[in-house]
Amino acid sequence: DGGITQSPKYLFRKEGQNVTLSCEQNLNHDAMYWYRQDPGQGLRLIYYSQIVNDFQKGDIAEGYSVSREKKESFPLTVTSAQKNPTAFYLCASSPPGLPYEQYFGPGTRLTVT
Amino acid sequence: AQSVSQHNHHVILSEAASLELGCNYSYGGTVNLFWYVQYPGQHLQLLLKYFSGDPLVKGIKGFEAEFIKSKFSFNLRKPSVQWSDTAEYFCAVNARSGGYNKLIFGAGTRLAVHP
Repeated sequence: DGGITQSPKYLFRKEGQNVTLSCEQNLNHDAMYWYRQDPGQGLRLIYYSQIVNDFQKGDIAEGYSVSREKKESFPLTVTSAQKNPTAFYLCASSPPGLPYEQYFGPGTRLTVT
Repeated sequence: AQSVSQHNHHVILSEAASLELGCNYSYGGTVNLFWYVQYPGQHLQLLLKYFSGDPLVKGIKGFEAEFIKSKFSFNLRKPSVQWSDTAEYFCAVNARSGGYNKLIFGAGTRLAVHP
């Protein structure tokens, strides 16, 4: 069963701690993306990666970091520098040659108190 | 800068009513336009897309959208909604930045359909 998995579904952290969100895909897609979804603001792009060992900042990259050591995996770290980290985080991937047809994971809801 | 504007944040309809959700975009290049839907508790999924050709695009579950270039619009329509259409709908446009492709999403419209 091909798809994108994100874990965990809910995550709670104390302020000042870094936290890493997992994203794995078995669709053999080269491109992967991280979005943040806030009520009334839609999806905003945090980071994206076209191929292994390459990634680019999106529109709201400050306070976040990523790595892309394997094609299947694109973990996102929310650092203590992110001023407002509580949000719903979505990971996506797209097939070769079709960068606009994105397949989304179920998301991780992060709450920082 | 590229942007997408969705006019209605919340829409409430009764079953069998007609639906039209507005979407306007700002992008100077060749556009590819999309509607994504997020049903309660489910993944965001592609509803329909426009790349070129016939400006009236049909998607899944009876939805359609019309690309009107002169109005920079890509409104989503359905003649008769069902309770199961209750979801959040996102319009998106392609963008190219620094040699990379990405999607720009609108803020979303929450649709609630009452039986």
